[in-house]
Amino acid sequence: KTQVEQSPQSLVVRQGENCVLQCNYSVTPDNHLRWFKQDTGKGLVSLTVLVHENDKTSNGRYSATLDKDAKHSTLHITATLLDDTATYICVVGDRGSALGRLHFGAGTQLIVIP
Amino acid sequence: DMKVTQMPRYLIKRMGENVLLECGQDMSHETMYWYRQDPGLGLQLIYISYDVDSNSEGDIPKGYRVSRKKREHFSLILDSAKTNQTSVYFCASSFWDRAGNTLYFGEGSRLIVV
Repeated sequence: KTQVEQSPQSLVVRQGENCVLQCNYSVTPDNHLRWFKQDTGKGLVSLTVLVHENDKTSNGRYSATLDKDAKHSTLHITATLLDDTATYICVVGDRGSALGRLHFGAGTQLIVIP
Repeated sequence: DMKVTQMPRYLIKRMGENVLLECGQDMSHETMYWYRQDPGLGLQLIYISYDVDSNSEGDIPKGYRVSRKKREHFSLILDSAKTNQTSVYFCASSFWDRAGNTLYFGEGSRLIVV
């Protein structure tokens, strides 16, 4: 059973608009959560990591929140650019060591149109 | 220059042939991974390596084996490839800090088995 669910599956926005991507998970324990960006035909690149209960992070136009009680995270992209077109992947780590497992969501495909 | 390099990037093989996918990293990371990515699914862990000659099965090891004789190099081998092994394979290396597991991904090796 998938332990990391992302929504929406795909999303089309106009350049300049804001968007919100959702990640719900059932992984236990949930040590940390990371958002990755994957451009078409490329590898995954880390955007941000959330560790603590009710953590919030900001990385330029990307900001993220984590609610460990609800096992829910959001990724906000502000003033989208054409280069934001990519798949965004939510990953939950169940431990803070190399012995832990990483649980990957299937991703949200974001398309930014002019 | 922190980089994970995968070779080859694209490969077409006939069913029953052997496949060698190679991965190198220049960061002296102890831990390395092989994942596969299929449409609609999250990345699935094939093998993890904690250091030279210290490899463990992931979630889907059947049909694969690995070799790590140098810390910077991790190979994935398919003995007698099958059509259901058509996929995109990603290698990653990682280090651990207070934020958990920071992964660096290669750009992927797209394998088609016909």
